[in-house]
Amino acid sequence: DAGVIQSPRHEVTEMGQEVTLRCKPISGHDYLFWYRQTMMRGLELLIYFNNNVPIDDSGMPEDRFSAKMPNASFSTLKIQPSEPRDSAVYFCASSFDPHTIYFGEGSWLTVV
Amino acid sequence: KQEVTQIPAALSVPEGENLVLNCSFTDSAIYNLQWFRQDPGKGLTSLLLIQSSQREQTSGRLNASLDKSSGRSTLYIAASQPGDSATYLCAVSQPVSSNTGKLIFGQGTTLQVKP
Repeated sequence: DAGVIQSPRHEVTEMGQEVTLRCKPISGHDYLFWYRQTMMRGLELLIYFNNNVPIDDSGMPEDRFSAKMPNASFSTLKIQPSEPRDSAVYFCASSFDPHTIYFGEGSWLTVV
Repeated sequence: KQEVTQIPAALSVPEGENLVLNCSFTDSAIYNLQWFRQDPGKGLTSLLLIQSSQREQTSGRLNASLDKSSGRSTLYIAASQPGDSATYLCAVSQPVSSNTGKLIFGQGTTLQVKP
């Protein structure tokens, strides 16, 4: 299996622009997670889905962030408008169950 | 609120040394505990998973222990090698009854093994 696939791997954008991060989970996994990693706060769960339905979005920082999972093989995390403080590594992960997860290699976002 | 702390934040050892990484958590009502490895510019790879009913797990040169009552876990690496250099993260999973599915991560310990 190819693992969890994320794109883009690296993105540099200007403040105010819309950013869309994409994720393809491992086939057959029912759970999909979006995490954010920063030096200051470490790894934080933003949102997770079960069978394409958002279960817990309490980690989404504010209304500028939104996530969708239109089908079992694709999810997006969107930031609009982006701000410099959104600069981080965004990880997507998937799993058969909510407690054992497989991470993608991350999308490195820099907002200038 | 569950908090996970890892000590030390960074560690540098000579090759061949045995070492211990520490993880502590504030709420003992966990479902399981996992240790992950993260290489620079990469995602996380699960190393060991300990269910709440277990005391330890072993994989090759790695041994992880869990003491739920005291809120502690250790990751023991035997005969360290330069290839072990990475950041090691500890994460606890909330009880399945809560259905949150959240992994709460520590800040990690960055290990450097010098040849």
